[in-house]
Amino acid sequence: AQSVTQLGSHVSVSEGALVLLRCNYSSSVPPYLFWYVQYPNQGLQLLLKYTSAATLVKGINGFEAEFKKSETSFHLTKPSAHMSDAAEYFCAVGRTGAGSYQLTFGKGTKLSVIP
Amino acid sequence: DAGVIQSPRHEVTEMGQEVTLRCKPISGHNSLFWYRQTMMRGLELLIYFNNNVPIDDSGMPEDRFSAKMPNASFSTLKIQPSEPRDSAVYFCASSTGTAVTILYGYTFGSGTRLTVV
Repeated sequence: AQSVTQLGSHVSVSEGALVLLRCNYSSSVPPYLFWYVQYPNQGLQLLLKYTSAATLVKGINGFEAEFKKSETSFHLTKPSAHMSDAAEYFCAVGRTGAGSYQLTFGKGTKLSVIP
Repeated sequence: DAGVIQSPRHEVTEMGQEVTLRCKPISGHNSLFWYRQTMMRGLELLIYFNNNVPIDDSGMPEDRFSAKMPNASFSTLKIQPSEPRDSAVYFCASSTGTAVTILYGYTFGSGTRLTVV
């Protein structure tokens, strides 16, 4: 069964500092991996997705993630945090099988950006 | 496109009452998902429809919960009777494509915040 684990429910960084949000996956097959962002009182928006075309995936708003099979990781990074990056971030893995295609989400990491 | 539309945005009801949440998926999307978000359990998939047919309802907590999709443009999630532990944010998402491509096109609505007192 596919699952994801996000390390750290809350991360604080200073404005301009590196953002690193950790995600490890468990999957017996090549995984479909995603990062979503949720701003207060809003739904989830796709930041980026891993489709096996490249291990380094670039997303919106300057975020990127690197797929590392040896470490079963898909960590999200941004070189320089901006105040507008404050939100909750979810890592997700695509579950497939029996005609069902659905996303399973991690518990989320809330990012705070300190001015 | 107006995106996935959910109504109401907020619902406060008394324990024991029936609650109906509504979702209008993006036109042309053939997959629809209902998720529940709580602090304790995070985002959980409740039910997944494809071409209006329920494919996976293993996440529906108990018989008090039911979901329907009478046509391609409308779905409901009903809780009867409601209990305080049902308080959560309920999200609807829709997607298009076939097989794995369904995973790539998830679009979420803004959610319904349900409070059962």
